[in-house]
Amino acid sequence: GAVVSQHPSRVICKSGTSVKIECRSLDFQATTMFWYRQFPKQSLMLMATSNEGSKATYEQGVEKDKFLINHASLTLSTLTVTSAHPEDSSFYICSARDLERNEQFFGPGTRLTVL
Amino acid sequence: DAKTTQPPSMDCAEGRAANLPCNHSTISGNEYVYWYRQIHSQGPQYIIHGLKNNETNEMASLIITEDRKSSTLILPHATLRDTAVYYCIVRVAVILGNTGKLIFGQGTTLQVKP
Repeated sequence: GAVVSQHPSRVICKSGTSVKIECRSLDFQATTMFWYRQFPKQSLMLMATSNEGSKATYEQGVEKDKFLINHASLTLSTLTVTSAHPEDSSFYICSARDLERNEQFFGPGTRLTVL
Repeated sequence: DAKTTQPPSMDCAEGRAANLPCNHSTISGNEYVYWYRQIHSQGPQYIIHGLKNNETNEMASLIITEDRKSSTLILPHATLRDTAVYYCIVRVAVILGNTGKLIFGQGTTLQVKP
């Protein structure tokens, strides 16, 4: 299957700082990427849909000013958690859609811990 | 997108077939059935998808009922590495111009036992 990478895989930060997570499609171009969040023992929750060259579409209840998404190229989308707080601690997962194969592939996830 | 219903958990003996059911009684004619799985602390992994015909690949088989209101994912010879949460998702085809987002339910936790 296609490869989607995330960086970093794990990050610990102090409350009030901002954290940037990168999502890259390594062997295909992705016009659309998706960002999910997963709390322990829960399912994945879609946060936003990111389209290359345009503004992201956020799901209801997700603060766009807190979770900044940039999709500047066909292989890279970034999620910035601004002014992170302990309740933002979670597993953040991105996915990228390969139009050629009409499939969606997921990254390995980023574990964020806010102290 | 149509909602799905899956049993919260199932056990399977190693080497035996694992049959994971999914109900999607409100599925529309243009919605596909997708299966993903998530091994602990990893990103979801695509398994298989289908519209109305049964499908098979190197990982699994997907059996969709004639009325399309339910489906079964079959892992023919389960191994310990198949222990994971399995998600059944219905979604309109991306080619119809929608966002193609996948909405995850609670899934089925499959425990493969020695």
